[in-house]
Amino acid sequence: EAQVTQNPRYLITVTGKKLTVTCSQNMNHEYMSWYRQDPGLGLRQIYYSMNVEVTDKGDVPEGYKVSRKEKRNFPLILESPSPNQTSLYFCASSLLGGWGSSEQYFGPGTRLTVT
Amino acid sequence: AQTVTQSQPEMSVQEAETVTLSCTYDTSESDYYLFWYKQPPSRQMILVIRQEAYKQQNATENRFSVNFQKAAKSFSLKISDSQLGDAAMYFCASAYNNNDMRFGAGTRLTVKP
Repeated sequence: EAQVTQNPRYLITVTGKKLTVTCSQNMNHEYMSWYRQDPGLGLRQIYYSMNVEVTDKGDVPEGYKVSRKEKRNFPLILESPSPNQTSLYFCASSLLGGWGSSEQYFGPGTRLTVT
Repeated sequence: AQTVTQSQPEMSVQEAETVTLSCTYDTSESDYYLFWYKQPPSRQMILVIRQEAYKQQNATENRFSVNFQKAAKSFSLKISDSQLGDAAMYFCASAYNNNDMRFGAGTRLTVKP
C-alpha cells in the first residue's frame, strides 16, 4: 500500500530533551515536506526537500532541523524542544515538487506535547 | 506575504442539503494551483479537489465542486447532498510555486442528521 508513515504518533516530552520524528514514504517520491498544524493557523511549512541531500526552509523553520540522506526518509529533529513547539506535525510527499501535476500525500500526523 | 483566508470558522448543514465553504487568496502570480483538503477526526489530510488557475472550467469530484473566480481571487467549495461522513475540518490551500503551499485556518463543518 502506498503510504507515508510517521513515528511516533503521540509524544509527550520535556523542554530541552532532543527528539526525532521519523517520516518514511514508499512511493519513490522526490519531494518531501514537514508542516505543523495549530488551531486558527492552519498548516504551516517547516522544511521541505526537493531530493536527496537537498533541503530548504519553509515558513517556520526556527527550532527544527531536517535531513534527507535517503529518498524515502525525511526525519524532523527538535534538538532542544520548547513548549511553543507543542503542535500537530504532518509529513507529506509528492512525486515531484510541482503541486499541480502530482498529488501531495500526507502522513497520519504526530501529536507532540512539550512540557 | 501570500495568504489564504477562510472567513467561516464553523459551518453546519442538514444531511442531504447543500453547503458552500468560502475561501479567498492573495497572489500576484499568474500560474498557481488551489486545493481543498478534508481533515476528519482521524486527523488524516485527504485531498478533496484541486483547480489549476489557468483552467477556467470549475473542477468537480462527485458531490464536491468549486466556484473559482480568478479575478475576485475566490475559491469556494460546494458540497451537495451532504452526508454524515462529510463532517470534518476543511482546509483551503494554494501553491504558488513548487515549494510554497499555503493553507487557510480551516472551516469546521458539522452535518446534522
